[in-house]
Amino acid sequence: EAGVVQSPRYKIIEKKQPVAFWCNPISGHNTLYWYRQNLGQGPELLIRYENEEAVDDSQLPKDRFSAERLKGVDSTLKIQPAELGDSAVYLCASSLNSEQFFGPGTRLTVL
Amino acid sequence: GESVGLHLPTLSVQEGDNSIINCAYSNSASDYFIWYKQESGKGPQFIIDIRSNMDKRQGQRVTVLLNKTVKHLSLQIAATQPGDSAVYFCAENQSGNQFYFGTGTSLTVIP
Repeated sequence: EAGVVQSPRYKIIEKKQPVAFWCNPISGHNTLYWYRQNLGQGPELLIRYENEEAVDDSQLPKDRFSAERLKGVDSTLKIQPAELGDSAVYLCASSLNSEQFFGPGTRLTVL
Repeated sequence: GESVGLHLPTLSVQEGDNSIINCAYSNSASDYFIWYKQESGKGPQFIIDIRSNMDKRQGQRVTVLLNKTVKHLSLQIAATQPGDSAVYFCAENQSGNQFYFGTGTSLTVIP
């Protein structure tokens, strides 16, 4: 069974540029999460979806971050414009019940 | 506010010895806890979980202990192997599917 797929794996951009991350969760998992993980820290939740509905986006910086999960399957996370402090690993996870399965993450570097 | 933290940021053990990784949590209302292992360049991987109605749970070579009185969680790895070298995170569940992760402990196994 394929795990959570994320792309790209690495992204380097200049500040003020837009960037987008894509996630394909495990088939049948109705819950999808986006996390941000800073170096040496644990993941921090940005947004959680139940099917296509965002049920918890309280930690998402809405002035520059946006996310969508059309049709309740794949999801994209966008940053526009990116800032230097956005450099981090962006992890996607999915779950059917309580156990979350994480993707490999996208490492974003903002110059 | 609530926080999940680890006592030791790094831990080095000899191959074959037992490892103990500790975690403190502050929200007494948390009722579900997970230990994750994260290898370099990968997303966190589920190791073992425990609910608050239990104080001990065993898996293959791993044991999680929960002390609700002092709000402490530990992960014990028996006969530590080089492949166990990674960063270990504890995560607590609050308000349904929202998980809060600690900072992490880096475990290094010395051959």
